[in-house]
Amino acid sequence: NAGVTQTPKFQVLKTGQSMTLQCAQDMNHNSMYWYRQDPGMGLRLIYYSASEGTTDKGEVPNGYNVSRLNKREFSLRLESAAPSQTSVYFCASSDRDYSNQPQHFGDGTRLSIL
Amino acid sequence: GNSVTQMEGPVTLSEEAFLTINCTYTATGYPSLFWYVQYPGEGLQLLLKATKADDKGSNKGFEATYRKETTSFHLEKGSVQVSDSAVYFCALGTGGGNKLTFGTGTQLKVEL
Repeated sequence: NAGVTQTPKFQVLKTGQSMTLQCAQDMNHNSMYWYRQDPGMGLRLIYYSASEGTTDKGEVPNGYNVSRLNKREFSLRLESAAPSQTSVYFCASSDRDYSNQPQHFGDGTRLSIL
Repeated sequence: GNSVTQMEGPVTLSEEAFLTINCTYTATGYPSLFWYVQYPGEGLQLLLKATKADDKGSNKGFEATYRKETTSFHLEKGSVQVSDSAVYFCALGTGGGNKLTFGTGTQLKVEL
């Protein structure tokens, strides 16, 4: 009963390093999302993938890239990490990209950039 | 653009007290409205939803009614428990892509 699985759970990077956050869902959902959560700001959408083979920018895409590897997996890449990208990152999925569909969230990746 | 405004926390209540967390929204079109809950160290979980005006979402004793005339979706529970301590997020979804707009979250602390 895994749902949405994110790896790693914690990571510390130095400024300028790169890394990829992994996300996989086992619910056969079509749509997947990446958010960042910062204190006092709720969650903000970075990128989303309405279906396999498509990706689109969200509210705060600068400094990030994504890959929808297959229907199950959606990765987020930081090419050159900056301290402003210190945050908690959440991956989510939904059955369809309709506005009435609830999203299912992973437990998050806590990322610190020094 | 779309936006969600929630009351600021933390909200501290005694067990069995009545809970209200206010949420108002601004949106184009006809949004769906959601309440999510986040327990410490975990991701968000859907608590309840409403997809059209006058719908009432309910789950685990929590309720919220979609009020189009006041653009509100206030969360209520008649008797809170210590286990309800968490952060609650109001969110709306509109249009294609199912992109959610979240409020800033309200932390609830319930004490014995």
